[in-house]
Amino acid sequence: AQSVAQPEDQVNVAEGNPLTVKCTYSVSGNPYLFWYVQYPNRGLQFLLKYITGDNLVKGSYGFEAEFNKSQTSFHLKKPSALVSDSALYFCAVRDSIKAAGNKLTFGGGTRVLVKP
Amino acid sequence: GAVVSQHPSRVICKSGTSVKIECRSLDFQATTMFWYRQFPKQSLMLMATSNEGSKATYEQGVEKDKFLINHASLTLSTLTVTSAHPEDSSFYICSASGYWDQPQHFGDGTRLSIL
Repeated sequence: AQSVAQPEDQVNVAEGNPLTVKCTYSVSGNPYLFWYVQYPNRGLQFLLKYITGDNLVKGSYGFEAEFNKSQTSFHLKKPSALVSDSALYFCAVRDSIKAAGNKLTFGGGTRVLVKP
Repeated sequence: GAVVSQHPSRVICKSGTSVKIECRSLDFQATTMFWYRQFPKQSLMLMATSNEGSKATYEQGVEKDKFLINHASLTLSTLTVTSAHPEDSSFYICSASGYWDQPQHFGDGTRLSIL
């Protein structure tokens, strides 16, 4: 079984400061990892993914994430947060084994509030 | 690219009504589509997975006769909530995926309110 943990329900950060949203995962095979962002009353927008290769993945809107296999983590980061980054962020994982299909398991979500 | 359109965005209807929600992949062929339900301030709960031309696979606890899913083409899946009741009120979101190693792309969701 696969699972995702986002240990923080909410992260508060001042505009211009670095933003980190934490995610740890559990999967039986090699993980495919994803970050999505959700704005109020909207669906999820894809930010970035880790499939293989470089552990540091760069995505949309200046976000990046670092895959750490030993710590089974995939934390989302942005060097300088904007007020417009305030939203709900979801980490998701699935097994890389094709037979497992592409069904995602989501974390509980972390609400980010960036204050001016 | 990878745009998923979901309609309607909001539905308000009386108890007992059946409601159909459409999910379309506009610029890619979606071999697999997913239907989720999201309660306020909670994560997404997967309801079912549908592959084009096949019967949907429902998650445990989801009534397949209540939530009818059709995936008749590579660009369209529909979810019909039959005889909806107030407890079915929720935010329903679809997603679509092309090749198995590609990310899911999400529609903007449908806010369903049953009076």
